[in-house]
Amino acid sequence: GAVVSQHPSWVICKSGTSVKIECRSLDFQATTMFWYRQFPKQSLMLMATSNEGSKATYEQGVEKDKFLINHASLTLSTLTVTSAHPEDSSFYICSARATSGRRGNEQYFGPGTRLTVT
Amino acid sequence: DAKTTQPPSMDCAEGRAANLPCNHSTISGNEYVYWYRQIHSQGPQYIIHGLKNNETNEMASLIITEDRKSSTLILPHATLRDTAVYYCIVRVSGANSKLTFGKGITLSVRP
Repeated sequence: GAVVSQHPSWVICKSGTSVKIECRSLDFQATTMFWYRQFPKQSLMLMATSNEGSKATYEQGVEKDKFLINHASLTLSTLTVTSAHPEDSSFYICSARATSGRRGNEQYFGPGTRLTVT
Repeated sequence: DAKTTQPPSMDCAEGRAANLPCNHSTISGNEYVYWYRQIHSQGPQYIIHGLKNNETNEMASLIITEDRKSSTLILPHATLRDTAVYYCIVRVSGANSKLTFGKGITLSVRP
């Protein structure tokens, strides 16, 4: 069964507004979570890595002030797309890595969130 | 992390084995080989991983060459639901190590 959930699964917003996407690990504690973005017919691109309780590390070219990441607990990370524009329309996928237990060091992906900015 | 090379696409008949190749000639001794797949409009799904020994689970088998420069993912009895993009990724162990996705190989299973 699914071990990482995302909410919402899809969202449509108007240009200039902000959108928050939640990512939860369901049956394990994830000290590290990752956010990816995928444009049509392209591969996943890593946006940032976040560790619980600390600031996220962003990949080169990803604007940290535009894509706000909060990893406040061991089971929840959020990505907020601020002042969204049509070019931010994409498929956003989170991933969580367990560092102990039966899922130790494995990385699981959420089902993705389809963002459309009009 | 070392890069991987995969053919862009392949197909196989339903019920037959699908053998998906991957080259990782610059792999380091502490890097694992991971396979994920992505069915259209879904998040990637973990399949299997290994370091140097061959591995098998309920989904697939992973065959890694002795020099570790290449590997093959085997789906023993492909079904139509196995049609997806399959990604071969090498990654070091460690909490903050990244999974970097290449273009993958598109497997089409035909009836």
